[in-house]
Amino acid sequence: DTAVSQTPKYLVTQMGNDKSIKCEQNLGHDTMYWYKQDSKKFLKIMFSYNNKELIINETVPNRFSPKSPDKAHLNLHINSLELGDSAVYFCASSQVLNEQYFGPGTRLTVT
Amino acid sequence: QKEVEQNSGPLSVPEGAIASLNCTYSDRGSQSFFWYRQYSGKSPELIMFIYSNGDKEDGRFTAQLNKASQYVSLLIRDSQPSDSATYLCSMAGNQFYFGTGTSLTVIP
Repeated sequence: DTAVSQTPKYLVTQMGNDKSIKCEQNLGHDTMYWYKQDSKKFLKIMFSYNNKELIINETVPNRFSPKSPDKAHLNLHINSLELGDSAVYFCASSQVLNEQYFGPGTRLTVT
Repeated sequence: QKEVEQNSGPLSVPEGAIASLNCTYSDRGSQSFFWYRQYSGKSPELIMFIYSNGDKEDGRFTAQLNKASQYVSLLIRDSQPSDSATYLCSMAGNQFYFGTGTSLTVIP
């Protein structure tokens, strides 16, 4: 059983488009996260949801909007995609402030 | 000052040697400390966690924590080529912090 899953694995799209990435965890964790990893491999936290409530929102453009229909799902919607949004996006989950488990990542390429 | 400072490397060690990876952090409220390994093109995977000062051993891996000096380290004994990866330190207090990662290459 996959603990944290993301879809799609690859996403290629043009500038200006809107896209979504889905994440699901079956670990029963209370907290889910979205990270962006750029070409320099730096892992930057974008959002965190604890029991469907946003608890972290780092300096991320408001073109990015997380949506959590329930505590097992945290989706990421991106409006008006820009070239600089190209990166690998990781979803993760944990019990609050305990070890995190990462999904396989979504490689987003904006052309 | 960054919340987490980690030598980006690259670090190269011969097979069978000890690899030493280090991290310093600034948030004294950090309570939990983690080491993740990330192979190229893959997601980070947890390899060690430590909550108390001192050493914690798990197989060939030893995590060391010194809260007074605000550093956490990871020792890999008998390094193998399969250990070649990027290692990320992380800590949690009021929020999670990640280091920038250290690239390790084990040379056969």
